[in-house]
This record gives sequence, C-alpha cells and structure tokens, in this order.
Amino acid sequence: QSVLTQPPSVSGAPGQRVTISCTGASSNIGAGYDVHWYQQLPGTAPKLLIHGNSNRPSGVPDRFSGSKSDTSASLAITGLQAEDEADYYCQSYDSSLSGWVFGGGTKLTVL
Amino acid sequence: EVQLVESGGGLVQPGRSLRLSCAASGFTFDDYAMHWVRQAPGKGLEWVSGISWNSANTGYADSVKGRFTISRDNAKNSLYLQMNSLRPEDTALYFCAKDDSGYYFYYMDVWGKGTTVTVSS
Repeated sequence: QSVLTQPPSVSGAPGQRVTISCTGASSNIGAGYDVHWYQQLPGTAPKLLIHGNSNRPSGVPDRFSGSKSDTSASLAITGLQAEDEADYYCQSYDSSLSGWVFGGGTKLTVL
Repeated sequence: EVQLVESGGGLVQPGRSLRLSCAASGFTFDDYAMHWVRQAPGKGLEWVSGISWNSANTGYADSVKGRFTISRDNAKNSLYLQMNSLRPEDTALYFCAKDDSGYYFYYMDVWGKGTTVTVSS
C-alpha cells in the first residue's frame, strides 16, 4: 500500500484531456512538501515530467501540467496522443517515514 | 551527454550480498545528490536510498534500513549500493538516479537504465 494514492488506471481518446490524482496526507503533501511527476514508457526508465508541483523541464510539452492543493496533487494531460500511453508516478517526501515516497502509479491508456 | 550506467546485478541466494555500481558521466558528479530506486517485476517504483554530494546526508527506506548501505566515490564519479542479507522481496530492477539538489534530496532529473537483481535459491 503506497503512502501516496493514485488511481490504478485512466484512459482517454486522442485529443482528450485526462487528469491523474495523487492523494497524500499531512505528513507529506499536506505538510508542504513538493510533488514531482515521472513518466515511464513501456520497457524504459522513468523520465522526469513535472518538478516542484507545476514546473516542466526543458523538452516536456506544455500539454503536461501539474498542480497541488492541500493534501493532493494532480497531473493533467491535454490533447492526448498515442505516445502518451505510459505509467505515471507522483513522488514527494514523507516526514513520518523520513524518506521519499512514490505513488503506486497510474497506467494511462489512449483509446 | 549526461549518462548513468548501472552494473553489478545478478542472481543471488537469499541471505547473501551483492554490490551495485553506477558510473556517471556528462555532469559534475560531486555537485549532486544521488539515489537508488527499485522496481519489482510488474510493480511500481520504490525509493531505496539517497546520498548527498559529500556523503554527509544519507537516507534509507524502512524496507532496507540496516541491510543496505549507499556510498559514493566522487573521484571515480561512481555511486554504490552494498546490499546484505538479501531477501526474495529485494528482487527488482535497480535504477540509479541523479538529484537536482546537492545536499537535500529533491527530485530525480536523470535516470539510468537499471540493473536487475534476482534473489532466489
């Protein structure tokens, strides 16, 4: 059971918008710790997608955006493309565990 | 080109030890904290351990605390993970990852391709 809770799967048609939630607690997201998002394409290493809640690294399309509020965070993907089909993970710091924690991951299927 | 290359994985019996290595290139290694993250077959990501640029700050997941030791050699641009008392549940693909920060852990902006560890009799 992950400390950060994500839906196991989401899906959407090409061109649509989807969101992936990441629900935490007062010891992690709710304590003010930043949330970061990673994309893992099938058979590859994770890739940084969003850092510091809403910042995109160079090269990441602006179709990807992140937000954070209270004890949760969200990743939004607009204009869905087939190449977005991947697993997505949120990450933050947990003061109770004194360590980094990942969400359980969300599999995005582009219909 | 920024690159991280892991090595040292393999098949090991329960209770035995293994040492993973990660060779870094393309950036100033001793400016950044580094991490090990693992992924069990068909499962999600699990942070294992992190170490600051000067080795003064280290952290471990509860699942490996007391069994695994992270270290680095800045002169060799290398990161290590000494894994002792291995258990079947340690079976995973182990990734080396670079942090954006030097001392305090923040986020992982560069990842290696991983090395596979299988713990089985």
